[in-house]
Amino acid sequence: GAVVSQHPSWVICKSGTSVKIECRSLDFQATTMFWYRQFPKQSLMLMATSNEGSKATYEQGVEKDKFLINHASLTLSTLTVTSAHPEDSSFYICSARDLGLSHNEQFFGPGTRLTVL
Amino acid sequence: ILNVEQSPQSLHVQEGDSTNFTCSFPSSNFYALHWYRWETAKSPEALFVMTLNGDEKKKGRISATLNTKEGYSYLYIKGSQPEDSATYLCAFYGGSQGNLIFGKGTKLSVKP
Repeated sequence: GAVVSQHPSWVICKSGTSVKIECRSLDFQATTMFWYRQFPKQSLMLMATSNEGSKATYEQGVEKDKFLINHASLTLSTLTVTSAHPEDSSFYICSARDLGLSHNEQFFGPGTRLTVL
Repeated sequence: ILNVEQSPQSLHVQEGDSTNFTCSFPSSNFYALHWYRWETAKSPEALFVMTLNGDEKKKGRISATLNTKEGYSYLYIKGSQPEDSATYLCAFYGGSQGNLIFGKGTKLSVKP
């Protein structure tokens, strides 16, 4: 149980285009999903917390107009990188929190490698 | 700024060796410490959630200990196997409204 899928696993796009990444909880309902970013040799850094049916909460320094998050159902959150630039090239990974667990246990997707040319 | 440090950054061992690595975290406002195992091209897999000072948890050949007063946790692997090769992440959780704060991970390579 507790499987989270993420799609696509990698994407290459041209500068100025938008890219959408999907995160799905396959066998449980997730009222809260998280989006992280990891640059080479760095730790996973939280970008935003996505709550079903409400606006996402963004961490300091993360532009909400650039990284659009939609959490329209209990099993799906999407991250859209708008007008992508080479500096947005990174590894993006989502996680989902199961309602029944109390210590912020999160189940992760396999991540998406974004390369912006 | 909360800081979570993991050491070593990478580790190369022979099959059959036992190994251990460290996660250091803030000793104040502690709520839980998470360990994950992350194989390349896969999802990070939860290993342990540790909450009490002195906790010791075990899963097969992998075990972990927790010292919340001094702010560290050790992860031990007994008799390493090639399939243990992965990056091991720890994450600190300070409770209520907080987020998981991750270390950079320890990358373990086990040679057959």
